[in-house]
Amino acid sequence: KQEVTQIPAALSVPEGENLVLNCSFTDSAIYNLQWFRQDPGKGLTSLLLIQSSQREQTSGRLNASLDKSSGRSTLYIAASQPGDSATYLCAVNQGGSEKLVFGKGTKLTVNP
Amino acid sequence: GAVVSQHPSWVICKSGTSVKIECRSLDFQATTMFWYRQFPKQSLMLMATSNEGSKATYEQGVEKDKFLINHASLTLSTLTVTSAHPEDSSFYICSARQTSGRAPETQYFGPGTRLLVL
Repeated sequence: KQEVTQIPAALSVPEGENLVLNCSFTDSAIYNLQWFRQDPGKGLTSLLLIQSSQREQTSGRLNASLDKSSGRSTLYIAASQPGDSATYLCAVNQGGSEKLVFGKGTKLTVNP
Repeated sequence: GAVVSQHPSWVICKSGTSVKIECRSLDFQATTMFWYRQFPKQSLMLMATSNEGSKATYEQGVEKDKFLINHASLTLSTLTVTSAHPEDSSFYICSARQTSGRAPETQYFGPGTRLLVL
């Protein structure tokens, strides 16, 4: 059974700092991995999707890497801003079944 | 584009009543929709996969007779929580997969429905 773990559970940083969020998964047989952002009481916004054959994806200040063999992904946020404050969720898609298995998320607070 | 809406956003009901939650894809057709549940400080957990015109597929441990899913069109799926009890209080989120497009594997998520059963 696939399990997704995110570390740390919460992170507080000053504005402007670069930071890394971690995601690990137990079964490396994944189709793709996604990073989402969830604001309090809201739905999810997809940030980056990495296919199993890819090593990284970039969008603006965000960079996500994937090491499938070791079951790890990282989300790098450059020059953090208060508007980046949210919970970041990592989810893996198993073998094209479209079933997403989520981690519990990392709650990020960027202080002005 | 690719907007998913949910209605209602908030529901407070008495124990024993049934609650219907709607999930709509506003600007695309969705053959498949997914229903998730999120308890406080927990992961989103997939409850069921809803396919247009066919029966939903439920995840292990999810009671299909309690959580009724209807996906009658390519833009609408409904989740009915029958005889709701306080333990059903949760945040319910749907997602929809585009029938066609550059990234068919991408799921677009709705804003969620918070259910509180008294």
